[in-house]
Amino acid sequence: NAGVTQTPKFRVLKTGQSMTLLCAQDMNHEYMYWYRQDPGMGLRLIHYSVGEGTTAKGEVPDGYNVSRLKKQNFLLGLESAAPSQTSVYFCASRTGGPGELFFGEGSRLTVL
Amino acid sequence: AQTVTQSQPEMSVQEAETVTLSCTYDTSENNYYLFWYKQPPSRQMILVIRQEAYKQQNATENRFSVNFQKAAKSFSLKISDSQLGDTAMYFCAFMSGTYKYIFGTGTRLKVLA
Repeated sequence: NAGVTQTPKFRVLKTGQSMTLLCAQDMNHEYMYWYRQDPGMGLRLIHYSVGEGTTAKGEVPDGYNVSRLKKQNFLLGLESAAPSQTSVYFCASRTGGPGELFFGEGSRLTVL
Repeated sequence: AQTVTQSQPEMSVQEAETVTLSCTYDTSENNYYLFWYKQPPSRQMILVIRQEAYKQQNATENRFSVNFQKAAKSFSLKISDSQLGDTAMYFCAFMSGTYKYIFGTGTRLKVLA
């Protein structure tokens, strides 16, 4: 019963490097989200997707790109990492109704 | 744009006592949903309780209940008979037909033995 799985769990990058965070869900959920969590700022929405092949910007999309080529996967990319992107990243998914979000365990990213 | 405000960064409560966490929100929509999520030290986010805006009755889940005041745009969480396992960060969240799920900045609750 995997639910929402994020990989990797931890990553250290140097400024300017690129990386991709993978989110996979096995609940056949339509909606998927990427958030970042920073102290004192709560959870801020980066990008979200309302279905396969669709993506939309959230509150803080700059510096990130996403793709939803398959319904079960939602990828978050950093093309040129900056120290300001040091954060804990959470992926979440939900069904089409007004239901709860199911979260992954988070991915801690440090950019030096 | 919708916003969610949690004005209490940190709170503490004695075990077995009652505590209320505050949340206010701003929206021009009439149909929406409000949630409280718990994030324990393990970091795993868990849904605590949900409220539909069209329902006047306040939601209740065991020791957890809400005070939903639609006109005031207020959505507070009451935890009764607090337990050590309630120690966590609590987030208030708002969702509407725009599909966005917006969170507040969180309240860190510590239950004292």
